[in-house]
Amino acid sequence: QQQVRQSPQSLTVWEGETAILNCSYEDSTFDYFPWYHQFPGESPALLIAIRPVSNKKEDGRFTIFFNKREKKFSLHIADSQPGDSATYFCAASGRGGSNAKLTFGKGTKLSVKS
Amino acid sequence: GGIITQTPKFLIGQEGQKLTLKCQQNFNHDTMYWYRQDSGKGLRLIYYSITENDLQKGDLSEGYDASREKKSSFSLTVTSAQKNEMAVFLCASSISNTLYFGEGSRLIVV
Repeated sequence: QQQVRQSPQSLTVWEGETAILNCSYEDSTFDYFPWYHQFPGESPALLIAIRPVSNKKEDGRFTIFFNKREKKFSLHIADSQPGDSATYFCAASGRGGSNAKLTFGKGTKLSVKS
Repeated sequence: GGIITQTPKFLIGQEGQKLTLKCQQNFNHDTMYWYRQDSGKGLRLIYYSITENDLQKGDLSEGYDASREKKSSFSLTVTSAQKNEMAVFLCASSISNTLYFGEGSRLIVV
């Protein structure tokens, strides 16, 4: 059972465009939604995260939009740069203890062309 | 800052062999994880541990054992290596839901 679905599998945008990556989830007890990025040859690292108390979180060019009713959240990368080319994973988890496990989507490979 | 050290970086074993990967963290984090990364399949959770001597199964625990004898270390054993086991195994520790990953161990089964 895939609890976190991510799309598209790959995405190519031109430098300066906004890249939009999408995720949906099934478990209504999830209350933490991070995005991780992974550059070739490196390990994943946290990029930005949101909790359902708000429906938008911004950090520079990166914005998460969250829709609790539809159980969807997306990552928008504004003014995309070639250095943003990486694989992006969305994830979700519940509160602490045994709910601390993070369930990841399958990833979106983003290529930014100049 | 802290660091997560995974050993070995590459592990070559024969089909049917029992193989062990080790992970050490000096963040003093309570929770540690083992994920398996296959191309196109994302990261799938094998085992995690919320404290010393605790073990929780993830979605992919069949065929694996884990051990958390100390807060700082978490080991993963492939009980009988198969050729479809070839993947990168990532160890992580976490605080406040943020995961910090090691550099990964690549398993090659011949």
